[in-house]
Amino acid sequence: AQSVTQPDIHITVSEGASLELRCNYSYGATPYLFWYVQSPGQGLQLLLKYFSGDTLVQGIKGFEAEFKRSQSSFNLRKPSVHWSDAAEYFCAVGGYNTDKLIFGTGTRLQVFP
Amino acid sequence: EPEVTQTPSHQVTQMGQEVILRCVPISNHLYFYWYRQILGQKVEFLVSFYNNEISEKSEIFDDQFSVERPDGSNFTLKIRSTKLEDSAMYFCASSGGQGARTEAFFGQGTRLTVV
Repeated sequence: AQSVTQPDIHITVSEGASLELRCNYSYGATPYLFWYVQSPGQGLQLLLKYFSGDTLVQGIKGFEAEFKRSQSSFNLRKPSVHWSDAAEYFCAVGGYNTDKLIFGTGTRLQVFP
Repeated sequence: EPEVTQTPSHQVTQMGQEVILRCVPISNHLYFYWYRQILGQKVEFLVSFYNNEISEKSEIFDDQFSVERPDGSNFTLKIRSTKLEDSAMYFCASSGGQGARTEAFFGQGTRLTVV
């Protein structure tokens, strides 16, 4: 079955600390992988995406993610978190022959000063 | 920066009533989508729409649901007879190309509460 798992529902970090949000997927074909962020009252904003090639992808706002096929993972990282990064983060997977994105349940990030 | 706009931000309706959720996609986009998120659950794909036709739909998108692009700017989702389980946040999205390779831009959502 096609699915995305984000094991961490809620993460709290201190400002300036490093961050890693986990994402595991199950997908029958070559996956296209995405991370979206949703700030309160806002829509889902694309942070980064992976289709092929270099498995380490850079995104906006200083985020990066690494695709590991052997682990079926696409974890999101940031070396130093800012208070404005507090939001909900969604991992999603799609494929070549479909418009549909399959989302995880999201990880809510809280940042303490 | 162009954005997808959804109205209303929150709608309360009685069970059995019809609701129409409205979206204004980005002006030069041709592909349109609806997703929903029931509280505490995953964001789920409902339907994609292109050239005045449904391109793809999920099993959630049954006969109670319909989509329409009534004019050159709006994209609507209609639920004919709402049920309690239709309570969710509904997200509209649009993209300039077909398929998951093309970035979809999402609106801020409409929270539908069925009472």
